[in-house]
Amino acid sequence: DSGVTQTPKHLITATGQRVTLRCSPRSGDLSVYWYQQSLDQGLQFLIQYYNGEERAKGNILERFSAQQFPDLHSELNLSSLELGDSALYFCASSVVAGGGTQYFGPGTRLLVL
Amino acid sequence: GQQVMQIPQYQHVQEGEDFTTYCNSSTTLSNIQWYKQRPGGHPVFLIQLVKSGEVKKQKRLTFQFGEAKKNSSLHITATQTTDVGTSFCAGSGESQGNLIFGKGTKLSVKP
Repeated sequence: DSGVTQTPKHLITATGQRVTLRCSPRSGDLSVYWYQQSLDQGLQFLIQYYNGEERAKGNILERFSAQQFPDLHSELNLSSLELGDSALYFCASSVVAGGGTQYFGPGTRLLVL
Repeated sequence: GQQVMQIPQYQHVQEGEDFTTYCNSSTTLSNIQWYKQRPGGHPVFLIQLVKSGEVKKQKRLTFQFGEAKKNSSLHITATQTTDVGTSFCAGSGESQGNLIFGKGTKLSVKP
Protein backbone atom coordinates (compact mmCIF):
# COMPACT_ATOMS: atom_id res chain seq x y z
CA ASP A 1 0.00 0.00 0.00
CA SER A 2 1.63 3.23 -1.22
CA GLY A 3 -0.53 5.51 0.91
CA VAL A 4 -1.97 7.20 -2.18
CA THR A 5 -5.68 6.69 -2.66
CA GLN A 6 -7.70 7.10 -5.82
CA THR A 7 -11.43 6.98 -6.36
CA PRO A 8 -13.29 5.54 -8.05
CA LYS A 9 -11.49 2.31 -8.96
CA HIS A 10 -13.58 1.79 -12.05
CA LEU A 11 -15.70 4.15 -14.12
CA ILE A 12 -17.87 3.37 -17.11
CA THR A 13 -19.41 6.24 -19.00
CA ALA A 14 -20.54 7.30 -22.45
CA THR A 15 -18.96 9.46 -25.09
CA GLY A 16 -19.54 13.16 -24.59
CA GLN A 17 -19.83 12.83 -20.82
CA ARG A 18 -17.72 14.42 -18.11
CA VAL A 19 -16.09 12.61 -15.18
CA THR A 20 -14.00 13.57 -12.17
CA LEU A 21 -11.22 11.41 -10.78
CA ARG A 22 -10.01 12.00 -7.26
CA CYS A 23 -6.64 11.47 -5.64
CA SER A 24 -5.41 11.83 -2.06
CA PRO A 25 -1.63 11.95 -1.76
CA ARG A 26 0.47 10.32 0.93
CA SER A 27 0.50 12.21 4.19
CA GLY A 28 3.12 14.94 3.96
CA ASP A 29 3.50 14.84 0.17
CA LEU A 30 2.99 18.19 -1.51
CA SER A 31 3.30 17.12 -5.14
CA VAL A 32 0.60 15.33 -7.10
CA TYR A 33 1.11 13.97 -10.60
CA TRP A 34 -1.45 12.60 -13.04
CA TYR A 35 -0.61 9.97 -15.66
CA GLN A 36 -2.59 8.24 -18.37
CA GLN A 37 -1.78 4.65 -19.32
CA SER A 38 -3.53 3.14 -22.32
CA LEU A 39 -3.47 -0.57 -23.06
CA ASP A 40 0.12 -1.78 -23.39
CA GLN A 41 1.38 1.78 -23.37
CA GLY A 42 3.78 3.60 -21.14
CA LEU A 43 2.97 6.28 -18.63
CA GLN A 44 1.89 9.50 -20.32
CA PHE A 45 2.50 12.41 -17.96
CA LEU A 46 -0.47 14.76 -17.89
CA ILE A 47 0.06 17.38 -15.22
CA GLN A 48 1.68 18.11 -11.85
CA TYR A 49 0.60 20.25 -8.92
CA TYR A 50 2.80 21.29 -6.06
CA ASN A 51 1.25 22.73 -2.90
CA GLY A 52 -1.83 23.88 -4.76
CA GLU A 53 -0.11 25.39 -7.78
CA GLU A 54 0.28 23.94 -11.24
CA ARG A 55 3.98 23.13 -11.68
CA ALA A 56 4.35 21.19 -14.89
CA LYS A 57 2.21 20.26 -17.84
CA GLY A 58 2.65 17.28 -20.10
CA ASN A 59 0.51 15.90 -22.88
CA ILE A 60 -2.78 16.99 -21.37
CA LEU A 61 -5.66 17.62 -23.71
CA GLU A 62 -7.61 20.87 -23.50
CA ARG A 63 -10.68 18.79 -22.61
CA PHE A 64 -8.88 17.71 -19.43
CA SER A 65 -8.21 19.87 -16.41
CA ALA A 66 -7.01 19.36 -12.89
CA GLN A 67 -6.67 21.15 -9.61
CA GLN A 68 -5.16 20.63 -6.18
CA PHE A 69 -7.11 21.77 -3.17
CA PRO A 70 -5.87 23.31 0.12
CA ASP A 71 -5.99 19.89 1.80
CA LEU A 72 -3.68 18.71 -1.05
CA HIS A 73 -6.07 16.24 -2.61
CA SER A 74 -6.38 16.58 -6.37
CA GLU A 75 -9.05 16.08 -8.96
CA LEU A 76 -8.69 15.36 -12.65
CA ASN A 77 -11.65 16.42 -14.76
CA LEU A 78 -12.18 14.80 -18.13
CA SER A 79 -14.87 16.29 -20.36
CA SER A 80 -16.39 15.63 -23.78
CA LEU A 81 -15.13 12.10 -23.42
CA GLU A 82 -14.12 10.11 -26.48
CA LEU A 83 -13.60 6.38 -26.94
CA GLY A 84 -9.86 6.97 -27.03
CA ASP A 85 -9.90 8.37 -23.50
CA SER A 86 -10.46 4.87 -22.16
CA ALA A 87 -7.38 4.15 -20.09
CA LEU A 88 -5.93 3.71 -16.64
CA TYR A 89 -5.40 7.02 -14.89
CA PHE A 90 -2.77 7.02 -12.18
CA CYS A 91 -2.11 9.60 -9.57
CA ALA A 92 1.29 9.74 -7.89
CA SER A 93 2.62 11.88 -5.07
CA SER A 94 6.01 12.93 -3.84
CA VAL A 95 7.43 15.10 -1.10
CA VAL A 96 9.44 17.41 -3.32
CA ALA A 97 8.55 19.55 -6.30
CA GLY A 98 10.72 17.75 -8.85
CA GLY A 99 12.84 14.64 -9.28
CA GLY A 100 11.79 12.88 -6.10
CA THR A 101 10.51 9.35 -5.69
CA GLN A 102 6.91 9.05 -6.80
CA TYR A 103 4.39 6.88 -5.01
CA PHE A 104 1.57 5.71 -7.24
CA GLY A 105 -2.03 5.10 -6.34
CA PRO A 106 -3.94 2.03 -7.51
CA GLY A 107 -5.38 3.90 -10.49
CA THR A 108 -8.83 4.56 -11.90
CA ARG A 109 -9.83 2.45 -14.87
CA LEU A 110 -11.99 4.51 -17.21
CA LEU A 111 -14.05 2.91 -19.94
CA VAL A 112 -15.82 5.16 -22.40
CA LEU A 113 -18.52 3.44 -24.42
CA GLY B 1 13.58 18.73 -24.02
CA GLN B 2 14.88 15.86 -21.99
CA GLN B 3 13.99 12.41 -23.30
CA VAL B 4 14.40 8.99 -21.73
CA MET B 5 14.50 6.05 -24.14
CA GLN B 6 14.10 2.49 -22.94
CA ILE B 7 14.76 -0.72 -24.84
CA PRO B 8 13.58 -3.28 -25.58
CA GLN B 9 9.87 -2.54 -25.50
CA TYR B 10 9.05 -6.23 -25.04
CA GLN B 11 11.09 -9.22 -23.96
CA HIS B 12 10.03 -12.86 -23.84
CA VAL B 13 12.33 -15.21 -21.98
CA GLN B 14 12.36 -18.80 -20.80
CA GLU B 15 12.32 -19.17 -17.04
CA GLY B 16 15.88 -19.27 -15.79
CA GLU B 17 17.28 -17.02 -18.52
CA ASP B 18 18.75 -13.63 -17.72
CA PHE B 19 17.09 -10.38 -18.77
CA THR B 20 18.36 -6.83 -19.22
CA THR B 21 16.56 -3.59 -19.98
CA TYR B 22 18.43 -0.45 -20.98
CA CYS B 23 17.65 3.18 -20.43
CA ASN B 24 19.25 6.12 -22.23
CA SER B 25 18.82 9.83 -21.66
CA SER B 26 19.44 12.64 -24.11
CA THR B 27 20.87 14.72 -21.27
CA THR B 28 22.91 14.15 -18.13
CA LEU B 29 20.81 13.00 -15.22
CA SER B 30 21.05 13.89 -11.56
CA ASN B 31 19.52 10.57 -10.64
CA ILE B 32 17.74 7.62 -12.19
CA GLN B 33 14.94 5.65 -10.63
CA TRP B 34 13.47 2.26 -11.50
CA TYR B 35 9.87 1.24 -11.05
CA LYS B 36 8.09 -2.08 -11.53
CA GLN B 37 4.47 -2.52 -12.56
CA ARG B 38 3.07 -6.02 -12.16
CA PRO B 39 0.13 -7.06 -14.35
CA GLY B 40 -3.00 -5.34 -13.10
CA GLY B 41 -1.03 -3.26 -10.64
CA HIS B 42 0.48 0.17 -10.35
CA PRO B 43 4.12 1.25 -10.71
CA VAL B 44 6.11 0.67 -7.54
CA PHE B 45 9.41 2.35 -6.76
CA LEU B 46 12.34 -0.06 -6.68
CA ILE B 47 15.52 1.94 -6.37
CA GLN B 48 17.31 5.21 -7.03
CA LEU B 49 20.84 5.63 -8.35
CA VAL B 50 22.64 8.92 -7.90
CA LYS B 51 26.39 8.47 -8.34
CA SER B 52 28.29 8.03 -11.60
CA GLY B 53 29.07 4.34 -12.16
CA GLU B 54 26.91 3.28 -9.23
CA VAL B 55 25.87 -0.36 -9.01
CA LYS B 56 23.19 -1.59 -6.62
CA LYS B 57 21.78 -5.06 -6.10
CA GLN B 58 18.47 -6.33 -4.83
CA LYS B 59 18.55 -10.13 -4.69
CA ARG B 60 18.54 -11.20 -8.38
CA LEU B 61 18.26 -7.61 -9.66
CA THR B 62 21.33 -5.51 -10.52
CA PHE B 63 20.99 -1.83 -11.30
CA GLN B 64 23.73 0.24 -12.93
CA PHE B 65 24.15 3.94 -13.57
CA GLY B 66 26.54 4.84 -16.36
CA GLU B 67 29.77 6.75 -15.85
CA ALA B 68 28.42 9.69 -17.86
CA LYS B 69 25.12 9.56 -15.93
CA LYS B 70 23.19 9.31 -19.20
CA ASN B 71 22.33 5.64 -19.19
CA SER B 72 21.25 2.90 -16.86
CA SER B 73 20.39 -0.77 -16.91
CA LEU B 74 18.42 -3.29 -14.94
CA HIS B 75 19.61 -6.89 -15.11
CA ILE B 76 17.64 -9.81 -13.74
CA THR B 77 19.52 -13.05 -13.18
CA ALA B 78 17.70 -16.34 -13.67
CA THR B 79 14.23 -14.96 -14.29
CA GLN B 80 11.24 -16.46 -12.53
CA THR B 81 7.57 -16.33 -13.51
CA THR B 82 7.08 -13.84 -10.69
CA ASP B 83 9.29 -11.37 -12.60
CA VAL B 84 6.62 -10.72 -15.24
CA GLY B 85 5.51 -7.14 -15.64
CA THR B 86 6.79 -3.84 -16.92
CA SER B 87 9.95 -2.16 -15.68
CA PHE B 88 10.19 1.60 -16.07
CA CYS B 89 13.24 3.78 -15.71
CA ALA B 90 12.75 7.44 -14.84
CA GLY B 91 15.37 10.14 -14.94
CA SER B 92 15.63 13.58 -13.45
CA GLY B 93 17.71 16.29 -15.08
CA GLU B 94 20.65 17.95 -13.34
CA SER B 95 18.59 21.06 -12.68
CA GLN B 96 16.31 18.91 -10.51
CA GLY B 97 13.61 18.96 -13.13
CA ASN B 98 10.71 16.62 -13.26
CA LEU B 99 11.09 12.87 -13.45
CA ILE B 100 10.80 11.70 -17.05
CA PHE B 101 9.65 8.11 -17.48
CA GLY B 102 10.81 5.76 -20.21
CA LYS B 103 8.13 3.81 -22.06
CA GLY B 104 8.96 0.66 -20.13
CA THR B 105 10.04 -2.88 -20.97
CA LYS B 106 7.35 -5.51 -20.68
CA LEU B 107 8.75 -8.87 -19.62
CA SER B 108 7.01 -12.18 -20.07
CA VAL B 109 8.48 -15.38 -18.68
CA LYS B 110 7.68 -18.82 -20.06
CA PRO B 111 7.76 -21.55 -17.40
